[in-house]
Amino acid sequence: NAGVTQTPKFQVLKTGQSMTLQCAQDMNHNSMYWYRQDPGMGLRLIYYSASEGTTDKGEVPNGYNVSRLNKREFSLRLESAAPSQTSVYFCASSEYRHYEQYFGPGTRLTVT
Amino acid sequence: EDQVTQSPEALRLQEGESSSLNCSYTVSGLRGLFWYRQDPGKGPEFLFTLYSAGEEKEKERLKATLTKKESFLHITAPKPEDSATYLCADSRTSSNYKLTFGKGTLLTVNP
Repeated sequence: NAGVTQTPKFQVLKTGQSMTLQCAQDMNHNSMYWYRQDPGMGLRLIYYSASEGTTDKGEVPNGYNVSRLNKREFSLRLESAAPSQTSVYFCASSEYRHYEQYFGPGTRLTVT
Repeated sequence: EDQVTQSPEALRLQEGESSSLNCSYTVSGLRGLFWYRQDPGKGPEFLFTLYSAGEEKEKERLKATLTKKESFLHITAPKPEDSATYLCADSRTSSNYKLTFGKGTLLTVNP
């Protein structure tokens, strides 16, 4: 089992460009999450999907959209990237929303 | 505001020198207290879940405990490979079961 996989690993964007971060899990988990991690700020939840077909905003959703494509896949889209979105992005999944979460390796995004 | 506070921010130990990391959480509505390990450039790795005061869990040199207002991660006779950032997070009914993470403790174990 690969667990949680994320693509790409690294990305550099110019301000105003768009991109989609991909996430997939092979653990048959119901819930999936997107976090960003910034120095001194800790992990902050952007969006989550408690189950297939549902998505909800987290702590810092502005500037992002998500799609729960199916039970395995949960993508994060930046429509018009801004320098403030420079961060490390982690996808995670859990069997149910109050269970332990398993994280992917992260995507390091720089917006210039 | 509900929050998770970890202390110290950084801890430097000599190999074999046991110590504890602290995590304070909001007591009301706790559904679970989680500990993670994060190595540089990698995603957090799940270690333990604790559900009720008095509960303890162990894994190799690590033992996590939970009281009514704090959790401790005890590290016994640490080795350099235990160096990492340790994160705790709580899940509460008031936050719709989402995890709220602390900012972590950076542990360095010198040989």
